[in-house]
Amino acid sequence: SAVISQKPSRDICQRGTSLTIQCQVDSQVTMMFWYRQQPGQSLTLIATANQGSEATYESGFVIDKFPISRPNLTFSTLTVSNMSPEDSSIYLCSVQGQGNGYTFGSGTRLTVV
Amino acid sequence: QQQVKQSPQSLIVQKGGISIINCAYENTAFDYFPWYQQFPGKGPALLIAIRPDVSEKKEGRFTISFNKSAKQFSLHIMDSQPGDSATYFCAAGQTGANNLFFGTGTRLTVIP
Repeated sequence: SAVISQKPSRDICQRGTSLTIQCQVDSQVTMMFWYRQQPGQSLTLIATANQGSEATYESGFVIDKFPISRPNLTFSTLTVSNMSPEDSSIYLCSVQGQGNGYTFGSGTRLTVV
Repeated sequence: QQQVKQSPQSLIVQKGGISIINCAYENTAFDYFPWYQQFPGKGPALLIAIRPDVSEKKEGRFTISFNKSAKQFSLHIMDSQPGDSATYFCAAGQTGANNLFFGTGTRLTVIP
């Protein structure tokens, strides 16, 4: 299965600022996925990032708040913009493997103060 | 709306015991049901998965039981070990769709 490197692993940010999270995969993949894992809640899909096209956002998530880049088949970034304490979560990058199985990065633990 | 409901929220089991985590879903279009294991500071890792054409799948000490008519599935961990202490997530998805719907997670603690 693919190996995913995600950074930063954690950060503490001031409200109103933005943080860009990077995701690097060791193999070329068509789609990359960004999830949010809020404390005590489910993992929720934010968006699907295809190389060469605009990301597809799930209901409740908008591009202005979570802009995504996908410059090539092994790399993607997610930016959390104009952060508020409600954005404090773990953000996870993921790729799809064989069948429907997903491989996840180690996540970025974001705390907004 | 929670697509997949998971229980219990937390579970404490003695070493050597059986850990059982349950999940229920509503969407009959789901045809893929994985379980993920997550250790602190790590991303979720695929543990075992089942499709609705079988009622049970076993891999080592981990077994998924699937009840299509009840729209329920469960994870059984036999001979639970302290190293199994982690958070477990069930999920459900549909072939051809990108989104997996996750349960809220179960924090398992296996005490020696």
